[in-house]
Amino acid sequence: AQTVTQSQPEMSVQEAETVTLSCTYDTSESNYYLFWYKQPPSRQMILVIRQEAYKQQNATENRFSVNFQKAAKSFSLKISDSQLGDTAMYFCAFMKPEDNYGQNFVFGPGTRLSVLP
Amino acid sequence: EPEVTQTPSHQVTQMGQEVILRCVPISNHLYFYWYRQILGQKVEFLVSFYNNEISEKSEIFDDQFSVERPDGSNFTLKIRSTKLEDSAMYFCASSERGFGDTEAFFGQGTRLTVV
Repeated sequence: AQTVTQSQPEMSVQEAETVTLSCTYDTSESNYYLFWYKQPPSRQMILVIRQEAYKQQNATENRFSVNFQKAAKSFSLKISDSQLGDTAMYFCAFMKPEDNYGQNFVFGPGTRLSVLP
Repeated sequence: EPEVTQTPSHQVTQMGQEVILRCVPISNHLYFYWYRQILGQKVEFLVSFYNNEISEKSEIFDDQFSVERPDGSNFTLKIRSTKLEDSAMYFCASSERGFGDTEAFFGQGTRLTVV
């Protein structure tokens, strides 16, 4: 079974600075998807970034980028130029491509990020 | 931007009572899901629903749980006789195609407290 670990329950960063959230996972699969989801307080969980394991290039989405280290099974999220609106719970998640019905969509426990003015 | 909407945002119920959690998925989506997160624990899969029937369910989703799409827009999760351990945040999600093919959109969650 796949597991996803986020070792930092809480983090804080000053506005405009850069922060990196850690995620490691355990799987015997060679192909899979990894995700970072953001959940602001009392708001819906939204997809921040998605990485396909067979792609070596790290995914980026504006100020958000990942450092995907397949051999180390590490998938960290870097947020550059942090903004107050980045304050949220961040979930790392794993999925196999054949998981068509979300039954094996595995979430990490989450990291609560606070951006300080 | 399209959203998955869940109501209520917080529900308090007495143990043994029935509760219905409501979700309005994005209108052109065909796949629907419920997940839950017990406080301090990971988000867990409960059930997926496609073509008016359950596609997959976890071992958590026992006989006290049921799902329904009663009117083509709402997607509901019913817990027949709530237990204290059902207290959790429940997330609804929907996707246009299967989970692996397209992005799943999540609602903001319903916090269920069983007392």
